[in-house]
Amino acid sequence: NAGVTQTPKFRILKIGQSMTLQCTQDMNHNYMYWYRQDPGMGLKLIYYSVGAGITDKGEVPNGYNVSRSTTEDFPLRLELAAPSQTSVYFCASATVAKNIQYFGAGTRLSVL
Amino acid sequence: DQQVKQNSPSLSVQEGRISILNCDYTNSMFDYFLWYKKYPAEGPTFLISISSIKDKNEDGRFTVFLNKSAKHLSLHIVPSQPGDSAVYFCAASEYGNKLVFGAGTILRVKS
Repeated sequence: NAGVTQTPKFRILKIGQSMTLQCTQDMNHNYMYWYRQDPGMGLKLIYYSVGAGITDKGEVPNGYNVSRSTTEDFPLRLELAAPSQTSVYFCASATVAKNIQYFGAGTRLSVL
Repeated sequence: DQQVKQNSPSLSVQEGRISILNCDYTNSMFDYFLWYKKYPAEGPTFLISISSIKDKNEDGRFTVFLNKSAKHLSLHIVPSQPGDSAVYFCAASEYGNKLVFGAGTILRVKS
């Protein structure tokens, strides 16, 4: 029972490079979310999606893009990586009830 | 402006004793509250939740209390076990909307 799977687990980027963080879930959840967690801080919402083809901005969307072409996948794109994007990124999914979110193991990203 | 605050960055408790983790919120429209537990190198996992129509919810060793007038909730773990050592996040939502998380409290249970 895989749940929410994130790849890669770790990545080091140079300033200005781009990359895509992958997230896939096998629970047939409609709702999916991307968060970032900085040291000593709570999780901050970057983008979320209520279903395939529908995405919306969260609290900290600048510097990121998302797409949702299928129910299962919700990739997060960094176009021009900056040191401020060094963080741990978590993907989550939830049922229509929305309140309980299930998280992936995270991607630790360093931008140098 | 932090809508959900966990004012204690860390807590240390002896095995077998009670652990009490606290959380305060400012948005009176929050109607659902959750606690998540997070081990190093893993994602947060759901622990227990409570709706604003209740003031207590219990699940085994874990009990969450909600005081709406004080905008305060707490998580009690009795008895505490070494495996409970983790970071605990409080989260809140408004009408099933997006979750707002606190900064977390590191719990250390000493054996």
